[in-house]
Amino acid sequence: KAGVTQTPRYLIKTRGQQVTLSCSPISGHRSVSWYQQTPGQGLQFLFEYFSETQRNKGNFPGRFSGRQFSNSRSEMNVSTLELGDSALYLCASSFRTGEETQYFGPGTRLLVL
Amino acid sequence: AQRVTQPEKLLSVFKGAPVELKCNYSYSGSPELFWYVQYSRQRLQLLLRHISRESIKGFTADLNKGETSFHLKKPFAQEEDSAMYYCAPAAMDSNYQLIWGAGTKLIIKP
Repeated sequence: KAGVTQTPRYLIKTRGQQVTLSCSPISGHRSVSWYQQTPGQGLQFLFEYFSETQRNKGNFPGRFSGRQFSNSRSEMNVSTLELGDSALYLCASSFRTGEETQYFGPGTRLLVL
Repeated sequence: AQRVTQPEKLLSVFKGAPVELKCNYSYSGSPELFWYVQYSRQRLQLLLRHISRESIKGFTADLNKGETSFHLKKPFAQEEDSAMYYCAPAAMDSNYQLIWGAGTKLIIKP
């Protein structure tokens, strides 16, 4: 099976802009989670979607939002970008939600100038 | 929130020495915990999960409910173990805030 894919792989934006990142899970996986990875904060959970519904949410401002489509593909949107949003954004999928093993994508590296 | 903490940001040990990466959790109930590993230039991947009680690449982790810990151990470190290690909770229920450990960078010195 193909692994989790994320597009784009690299992105440069300026403050105040918005960005949309995409994640295609492993075929058959219905849960998609998003994470922000930075050198200082490590890995921080953003949210999880399962069957098109947000199931869990991390401690991020409302500028960070997401959605999941009927084919389980997911998008994450960040509005009004700030310099501190520069990070590697990881997507992970699992067959079900809860205690399932997650499979990670390569990430989208976002640089906000 | 379902929170785990990793007190060490960096751990450096010599090849052949024992390794212990610490992880503590702070939520009630029966936790489901994982260790994920990220080798240089590779994707984050599962190392092991507590429910399976298996040993992967010589690593083991035991859930200690009394100490609320899930430390990762290996008796003899190898250079290829150098990586970033994350302890992670699983969302057993919906509407929980999941807080991963900040990660421990393990460096194995030759």
